[in-house]
Amino acid sequence: GAGVSQSPRYKVAKRGQDVALRCDPISGHVSLFWYQQALGQGPEFLTYFQNEAQLDKSGLPSDRFFAERPEGSVSTLKIQRTQQEDSAVYLCASSSPPRPLTDTQYFGPGTRLTVL
Amino acid sequence: GENVEQHPSTLSVQEGDSAVIKCTYSDSASNYFPWYKQELGKRPQLIIDIRSNVGEKKDQRIAVTLNKTAKHFSLHITETQPEDSAVYFCAASIDGSQGNLIFGKGTKLSVKP
Repeated sequence: GAGVSQSPRYKVAKRGQDVALRCDPISGHVSLFWYQQALGQGPEFLTYFQNEAQLDKSGLPSDRFFAERPEGSVSTLKIQRTQQEDSAVYLCASSSPPRPLTDTQYFGPGTRLTVL
Repeated sequence: GENVEQHPSTLSVQEGDSAVIKCTYSDSASNYFPWYKQELGKRPQLIIDIRSNVGEKKDQRIAVTLNKTAKHFSLHITETQPEDSAVYFCAASIDGSQGNLIFGKGTKLSVKP
């Protein structure tokens, strides 16, 4: 079946612009995660959804970052007033069960954001 | 919170040799340890994982070992092939929590033909 998809794959923004990044998880997956991957680094957790509920946003670096998943499927990560330090690959991952079970997280291809 | 250290950061081996990547974690509550392979410009893909109720798991040329007492786990790749060249990430998480992964910084493996 279809895996996790993300769009756009590449985004160039001028500093100060707002951007919206989309994630389509695997159908039926309850859990959805956003990660930020800086160049040459491992992914870092941003936020977690169980269905439509955002249960953890402790990894969001500032209040300029906002995520939603209103119908429990597609999720959008929005970054307002982008800064150069926001340049990174943004990865979305989904997994089947809700907590307390930990299961394989399937990653999307990521969106590479470059802020000029 | 959890911290995962991974080494080496780069590893170069000859085709056919073995490769070993090691990770340590800080939170003794962590009990799920996946390994991801990421090729340049592509998504991380799970290659093997282990839970804390076992000490070793094997899948063809890939094996993972876990030492809960020392809080470290390792990835072993035998009979390496050029297509094994990629960046490998270890990660840790806790069953019973939401399951977000804490990743190491990655190891760039180069397999020379």
